[in-house]
Amino acid sequence: GAGVSQSPSNKVTEKGKDVELRCDPISGHTALYWYRQSLGQGLEFLIYFQGNSAPDKSGLPSDRFSAERTGGSVSTLTIQRTQQEDSAVYLCASSQTSGYEQFFGPGTRLTVL
Amino acid sequence: GDSVTQMEGPVTLSEEAFLTINCTYTATGYPSLFWYVQYPGEGLQLLLKATKADDKGSNKGFEATYRKETTSFHLEKGSVQVSDSAVYFCALHLQGGSEKLVFGKGTKLTVNP
Repeated sequence: GAGVSQSPSNKVTEKGKDVELRCDPISGHTALYWYRQSLGQGLEFLIYFQGNSAPDKSGLPSDRFSAERTGGSVSTLTIQRTQQEDSAVYLCASSQTSGYEQFFGPGTRLTVL
Repeated sequence: GDSVTQMEGPVTLSEEAFLTINCTYTATGYPSLFWYVQYPGEGLQLLLKATKADDKGSNKGFEATYRKETTSFHLEKGSVQVSDSAVYFCALHLQGGSEKLVFGKGTKLTVNP
């Protein structure tokens, strides 16, 4: 079946612009996670959704970052007023429910000029 | 807080050599432990896992044993192949806590023919 998909695969933006990154989880997966992979910091957790609720937002680095999930399916990660340090690969993962294996998407590579 | 420390490499081996990638963890509870692999140009894939002490996870010739007394989960393979060239990430998931995965910084493995 279809895996986790993310769009766009690459995004180049100018400093100060807003960006939206999209994640389509595996059908039927109720848990959804966002991570960030950067050269200096490795893989960092950003936010976790169970259904449409986000019980753990502890990894969001600043109030410029927000995420939502609608219909228990698609999720959007929004970064406002992008900075160069936001450049990274943003990974989405989903699992059947919390505590089960997480399946990762291919990521969105964000470059902030 | 919870953390994972793994040898950062890069590691370069000849085909058929023995591989060990060290991973140790710090956790306040009893985590599940994972090895994920990222092949060039691909997303993160679960390689193997162990959910309790003394469990051995294995897949594709790779093995790792959950050692509670040494808080370790070292990855081993007896005879590596060129196709094993990838980045390997050790991770933990704390049962009953936040649903996030906590990752090590990754170890890049290159296997030469």
